[in-house]
Amino acid sequence: TQLLEQSPQFLSIQEGENLTVYCNSSSVFSSLQWYRQEPGEGPVLLVTVVTGGEVKKLKRLTFQFGDARKDSSLHITAAQPGDTGLYLCAGDYGQNFVFGPGTRLSVLP
Amino acid sequence: DTAVSQTPKYLVTQMGNDKSIKCEQNLGHDTMYWYKQDSKKFLKIMFSYNNKELIINETVPNRFSPKSPDKAHLNLHINSLELGDSAVYFCASSAQGPTMADTQYFGPGTRLTVL
Repeated sequence: TQLLEQSPQFLSIQEGENLTVYCNSSSVFSSLQWYRQEPGEGPVLLVTVVTGGEVKKLKRLTFQFGDARKDSSLHITAAQPGDTGLYLCAGDYGQNFVFGPGTRLSVLP
Repeated sequence: DTAVSQTPKYLVTQMGNDKSIKCEQNLGHDTMYWYKQDSKKFLKIMFSYNNKELIINETVPNRFSPKSPDKAHLNLHINSLELGDSAVYFCASSAQGPTMADTQYFGPGTRLTVL
């Protein structure tokens, strides 16, 4: 059983569409991060959320941390081919942290 | 300038061999990490190392051992390689940590294939 679940596992959309991906857990995290990983490269941090209910925006990306700090969502507006990649969430609980299995996003031109 | 670098990029070896992967960070960070990403892209932390304190994920076999000659380097040594060790191994570093509230910077990964 994975501590963090992500959905959907795969997502293929057309350029210009909006999308939301989810990260869920039954555990409470002190902080949660979203990363994007492109083929052949390491993950790159997009955002860290710490406070329950927190919303952060990064250009066309909107991140939300659930009130109970057990889940998070990433919404992309007007997706572009450059958004293609593997989106990973990672949760921190004490000195342990885990990554979710990721959502593989493909944005077609 | 590469912040976190790993060598080699690709490593192909026979079962039973011993191999090392090198990692260097030029960010002046205090904590370094090793992760394993399997074929399903599931990223799992193996070790974190901060100021001579090593935190080990209990699921990591003792065939894996990190070695830190200095603060800028954390090398991964693997003894008696097995088929299941095939994966991409990522090194990372953070300024403080180990905590995810601290931004981690990942290296480009080393793809290990055990035949």
